[in-house]
Amino acid sequence: KAGVTQTPRYLIKTRGQQVTLSCSPISGHRSVSWYQQTPGQGLQFLFEYFSETQRNKGNFPGRFSGRQFSNSRSEMNVSTLELGDSALYLCASRYGDEQFFGPGTRLTVL
Amino acid sequence: GENVEQHPSTLSVQEGDSAVIKCTYSDSASNYFPWYKQELGKRPQLIIDIRSNVGEKKDQRIAVTLNKTAKHFSLHITETQPEDSAVYFCASIWYSGGGADGLTFGKGTHLIIQP
Repeated sequence: KAGVTQTPRYLIKTRGQQVTLSCSPISGHRSVSWYQQTPGQGLQFLFEYFSETQRNKGNFPGRFSGRQFSNSRSEMNVSTLELGDSALYLCASRYGDEQFFGPGTRLTVL
Repeated sequence: GENVEQHPSTLSVQEGDSAVIKCTYSDSASNYFPWYKQELGKRPQLIIDIRSNVGEKKDQRIAVTLNKTAKHFSLHITETQPEDSAVYFCASIWYSGGGADGLTFGKGTHLIIQP
C-alpha cells in the first residue's frame, strides 16, 4: 500500500495570507489527524477527522480549520497567517490506535 | 488533559552501548504507548508500541517497558549503531467523551551515537 502523502512539501507565505495543506491517508484508513511540529513546542495535536467529521480538536485558535472528504483525503487551512505559524505540519493516517505519519509540509511565514 | 514528560532531552552514548529513554504520563486511563523515531528532515516513524495489558515488549534491539502503577514507560535500545542517531518521541493515548481519543507526545530525546 502507498504511504501517507502530503502536498505541498514546502510553502512560503507572508503574514496575513491564508494557506491550505492537503493529506491523503493510506488506502482504507478513515481517520486523519493533523499535528504542528516546532522546535520549541514539539508535536502538538491540531485536530482529527473521521468519516468527514471532526472528532477532536486541540488547543489552537479558530484560524486553524480542516475538513475531510468522502475519499478520506483531508485538508487543513490556516487563515491570517502569523510568523509563529511557521512549522512542519504533519498529518497522520490512523488505523485502530496506530498512526502513520506523512512527510509533512514545511510552512514558512515571512 | 494528558501530560507526557520525556527525559533526557539529549542522550549521547558510545556505539555498542545501550540507551534508555524514559517517559511519564498523567492519565491513568491511557492504555496505548507508541514510540516514534524521527531522523533529520524525515517523518516520525512508529518503531514500537505497548499496550497496558503487557509489561514489556521486544523487537530485536529495541524494547519497551511499562509500569502502569507508576505511570511510566521506557525505551531501551541495545548494541547501539550509528543509524540509531535520531530524535525519539514517546506518546500516550488520551480519551475524551464520545469515544474520541488522540495522542499526546513527549518533547523528544535527541539520541547521539558516538563512534
